[in-house]
Amino acid sequence: QTVVTQEPSFSVSPGGTVTLTCGLSSASVSSSYYPCWYQQTPGQAPRTLIYNTNTRSSGVPDRFSGSILGNKAALTITGAQADDESDYYCVLYMGSGISVFGGGTKLTVL
Amino acid sequence: EVQLVESGGGLVQPGGSLRLSCAASGFTFSSYWMHWVRQAPGKGLVWLSRISSDGSSTTYADSVKGRVTISRDNAKNTLYLQMNSLRAEDTAIYYCARGSTIFGVVVPNWFDPWGQGTLVTVSS
Repeated sequence: QTVVTQEPSFSVSPGGTVTLTCGLSSASVSSSYYPCWYQQTPGQAPRTLIYNTNTRSSGVPDRFSGSILGNKAALTITGAQADDESDYYCVLYMGSGISVFGGGTKLTVL
Repeated sequence: EVQLVESGGGLVQPGGSLRLSCAASGFTFSSYWMHWVRQAPGKGLVWLSRISSDGSSTTYADSVKGRVTISRDNAKNTLYLQMNSLRAEDTAIYYCARGSTIFGVVVPNWFDPWGQGTLVTVSS
């Protein structure tokens, strides 16, 4: 059973920088896993932030960036704003058409 | 405007069946892979299934394999998810999403847009 790991929660001050990570229980994440990041606010459908590791989706502010850091995929928010307070999900491609989401990170901006 | 609208959710008894629909508009539906993702109340997203643009290829997560069937009708611009032998743990919001592409090449994991979701509640 493949497990995609994310920090359950994170806190950042307004204007601060935070890096959320997305790992695998038994392997290193690389761009070959096509990591994508989604933002979800309560009661809303998810919204694409980053696809293909580091490509921002249309309309996404450039304070959001994706990368591979060490053995994990990472989402960095630089200059966090109050409306960045959301749940963030990564998803990795396991091959053979299978995608697996991480458990999500609840980001608090305070 | 590219839009996906799910329907068909509701209350169903354990062991029952339900068919969800996802009506697509604003894009050439028959050119895109489509996906179903669910989210149990207060929990995270779970990818369930995908179907190729022509419907000839399907893939399922192990958690639902054998109990759900994804299908599509390109003439009606509609995606379906047939769910059988429903259990309490299938209670969730079910989202359909389009598999996005770059210059016609599928980008794995890039689901955009998403519908607003339809709630399925499995309870006696």
